[in-house]
Amino acid sequence: AQSVSQHNHHVILSEAASLELGCNYSYGGTVNLFWYVQYPGQHLQLLLKYFSGDPLVKGIKGFEAEFIKSKFSFNLRKPSVQWSDTAEYFCAGGSEKLVFGKGMKLTVNP
Amino acid sequence: DAGITQSPRHKVTETGTPVTLRCHQTENHRYMYWYRQDPGHGLRLIHYSYGVKDTDKGEVSDGYSVSRSKTEDFLLTLESATSSQTSVYFCAISPRGVNTEAFFGQGTRLTVV
Repeated sequence: AQSVSQHNHHVILSEAASLELGCNYSYGGTVNLFWYVQYPGQHLQLLLKYFSGDPLVKGIKGFEAEFIKSKFSFNLRKPSVQWSDTAEYFCAGGSEKLVFGKGMKLTVNP
Repeated sequence: DAGITQSPRHKVTETGTPVTLRCHQTENHRYMYWYRQDPGHGLRLIHYSYGVKDTDKGEVSDGYSVSRSKTEDFLLTLESATSSQTSVYFCAISPRGVNTEAFFGQGTRLTVV
């Protein structure tokens, strides 16, 4: 069965700190990967996506992710976080249907 | 925002009663999904549809059924609600399945008492 796993559960950072969130996938076939963000009380919004090509993907709000096939990973990064990045982050992927990791809460203290 | 409307947005129901949640889209997308979101579990796929009358089970489909008689509507039914089905339910749509991104509705908060 296809699955996506996230390593972190709750990360607390200060503003301007760097962020890296881990994501690993476990499925074959076509690899399509996504990162979504959910701000408090809101629905999920797409941050970035990877289908093929350049393994370094840039998304909105200064986020980027790197696809490393040999490690089955798609980690999310941001060089300098802001208080407004406080949210829950989900990695997702699938070859036939879209499955999600369990999510990771990020708290950024001003 | 993508044209997705979920109804109702909030519902409280009693154990054992049937409940139907509706997802309506104006994008004419082929794929539609129902997820539930619970603390510590993230989003889990309940059912999905890849066309009118074409549906399939997700990872937590027990106790749920779906129907899609029109492209724009995807209904999720809890045949006999239980307290374990208290959750936030999200509908999502995508034009070509996982080859494109999914867009999410605002969610329905369901409480089963």
